[in-house]
Amino acid sequence: KQEVTQIPAALSVPEGENLVLNCSFTDSAIYNLQWFRQDPGKGLTSLLLIQSSQREQTSGRLNASLDKSSGRSTLYIAASQPGDSATYLCAVPNTGFQKLVFGTGTRLLVSP
Amino acid sequence: NAGVTQTPKFQVLKTGQSMTLQCAQDMNHEYMSWYRQDPGMGLRLIHYSVGAGITDQGEVPNGYNVSRSTTEDFPLRLLSAAPSQTSVYFCASSPNSNQPQHFGDGTRLSIL
Repeated sequence: KQEVTQIPAALSVPEGENLVLNCSFTDSAIYNLQWFRQDPGKGLTSLLLIQSSQREQTSGRLNASLDKSSGRSTLYIAASQPGDSATYLCAVPNTGFQKLVFGTGTRLLVSP
Repeated sequence: NAGVTQTPKFQVLKTGQSMTLQCAQDMNHEYMSWYRQDPGMGLRLIHYSVGAGITDQGEVPNGYNVSRSTTEDFPLRLLSAAPSQTSVYFCASSPNSNQPQHFGDGTRLSIL
């Protein structure tokens, strides 16, 4: 059974810092991995989707990497801003491609 | 551009009552899913559909029914509400298995 773990559970940084969020998964036989952002009281917004054949994906100040063999992904946020404050979740498909398994998230606070 | 619309946003029920959570998407997506989000548990898949007329169970299906009579709508029915079903429910859709999922803003449900 696929299990997804995110470390740390919470992170507080001053504005401008570069930071890394971690995601690990137990079954490396995945065909994609997604990173989401969730603002308080809101739904999830997809940030990046990495295919299994890719090693990284970039969108603006965000860069996500994927190492299937080690069961790890990282989300790198450059030059953090207070508007980046949110919970970040990663998710991978379980046995069925539509059955996403989510981590419990990293709650990020960026202080001005 | 409405995306994924969930109604109601908030609901309080008494134990034993039934209700239907509505989900509609206007993006002509084939894939739709229902998740519940609980503190410390992350998001867990309840039911999903890969097209009109096709549904399947996720990780925590007990106590819930779904149907998919049209591409646009994917309602979730609570047959006899129990306090353990107090949660935030999210509906999501995607064009196919390898594209990011789009989430609604959620329904916050309390069962007394």
